Amino acid sequence: DAGITQSPRHKVTETGTPVTLRCHQTENHRYMYWYRQDPGHGLRLIHYSYGVKDTDKGEVSDGYSVSRSKTEDFLLTLESATSSQTSVYFCAISELVSEGFRQPQHFGDGTRLSIL
Amino acid sequence: GQNIDQPTEMTATEGAIVQINCTYQTSGFNGLFWYQQHAGEAPTFLSYNVLDGLEEKGRFSSFLSRSKGYSYLLLKELQMKDSASYLCAVDTGGGNKLTFGTGTQLKVEL
Repeated sequence: DAGITQSPRHKVTETGTPVTLRCHQTENHRYMYWYRQDPGHGLRLIHYSYGVKDTDKGEVSDGYSVSRSKTEDFLLTLESATSSQTSVYFCAISELVSEGFRQPQHFGDGTRLSIL
Repeated sequence: GQNIDQPTEMTATEGAIVQINCTYQTSGFNGLFWYQQHAGEAPTFLSYNVLDGLEEKGRFSSFLSRSKGYSYLLLKELQMKDSASYLCAVDTGGGNKLTFGTGTQLKVEL
């Protein structure tokens, strides 16, 4: 199994509070991703990183920010959490072999976040 | 925009064969992935197709037709443990990004 650790695994917090989720990898992979998964929507990309300090927005980035100061860590921050951000959050990692061939993304175990 | 369609639910019998279809319309294409996700768990990688044709891996096979924007996942000799959600995802290029379908919930019955 790919060495990916997400923390915390579960969190309950109140509307308006800041929340930071951490993804830690031991595979030295270049790419890291944050997704959210909601019923009826599937997995949707929030932000991704293609190297240290190199990040870009995904499909549903509003209300979220990320940082990657080291290869192994990718942080997702909700500056002021809202109830609509209640979801299961997955981190994923991958490595690019060549332009014509992709390595699969491997996922962490997820963080279940409830915002009351 | 990106559009990936797959059936919401399917039911099949233990020991049988089931085919899960996925159609896509995306602005870029660098391959198609299938993932399996059991309830409450992380998605796990099943297969990758970038060229047309069939890829076989044990009981699981995946097919791709790029000209038709179509893929299917074939599961043979179904087992109860195959009850899960199956996710179709397209690599649309630029940063190894994936766009996922909403998943097909497969229920295997006795």
